[in-house]
Amino acid sequence: QSALTQPPSASGSPGQSVTISCTGASSDIGGYNYVSWYQQHPGKAPKLLIYEVTKRPSGVPDRFSGSKSGNTASLTVSGLQAEDEADYYCSSYAGSNNLVFGGGTKLTVL
Amino acid sequence: EVQLVESGGGLVPPGGSLRLSCAASGFTFSNYEMNWVRQAPGKGLEWVSYISSGGSIVFYADSVKGRVTISRDNAKNSLYLQMNSLSAEDTALYYCAREPHDWNSFDFWGQGTLVTVSS
Repeated sequence: QSALTQPPSASGSPGQSVTISCTGASSDIGGYNYVSWYQQHPGKAPKLLIYEVTKRPSGVPDRFSGSKSGNTASLTVSGLQAEDEADYYCSSYAGSNNLVFGGGTKLTVL
Repeated sequence: EVQLVESGGGLVPPGGSLRLSCAASGFTFSNYEMNWVRQAPGKGLEWVSYISSGGSIVFYADSVKGRVTISRDNAKNSLYLQMNSLSAEDTALYYCAREPHDWNSFDFWGQGTLVTVSS
């Protein structure tokens, strides 16, 4: 199963909004509403931000939002803050009891 | 407080074996599905294996199928990953991750245990 495609980098200034894309296929993102997003700071474990395309776990700020259109999912971070600087990964159920991740996007807060 | 603590990583020669463990606390372990996810140095995340809450259903990524066995002991609140026929491509930080039922995502992760395959 191929990994999902994410841009290697993204950036924005404090207070701005940034959107990170995650492109897959009809066999994964397009076929299921099981897209998740994770934030990973250097040397730390990933943290779940979004599950089932748009849902936020308890404790995740509403500055983080998810969406999906066709075979592409997106994570939008609004009101950028310095602590948002991290790596972001998308994942999707890919059928046949498989789950795939994107290659990751490094978000820089300018 | 939910805690997942992995152990068992280390340096192993190509072709060798290793058994990873994950000790869970702070939640009812037997109510949750569990997974192993790995991250090669400087690389992205890769799902490795899944086990159902009762342990009867398991799934593996194609990259490890036939070489890896996931298991759990709900009485000991522990998750395991037996890894055989290791190669350099298996070098990674291995995380155990909790999966609420049917979420297909992981709401809590351990800090990982490093597996290095090298002669």
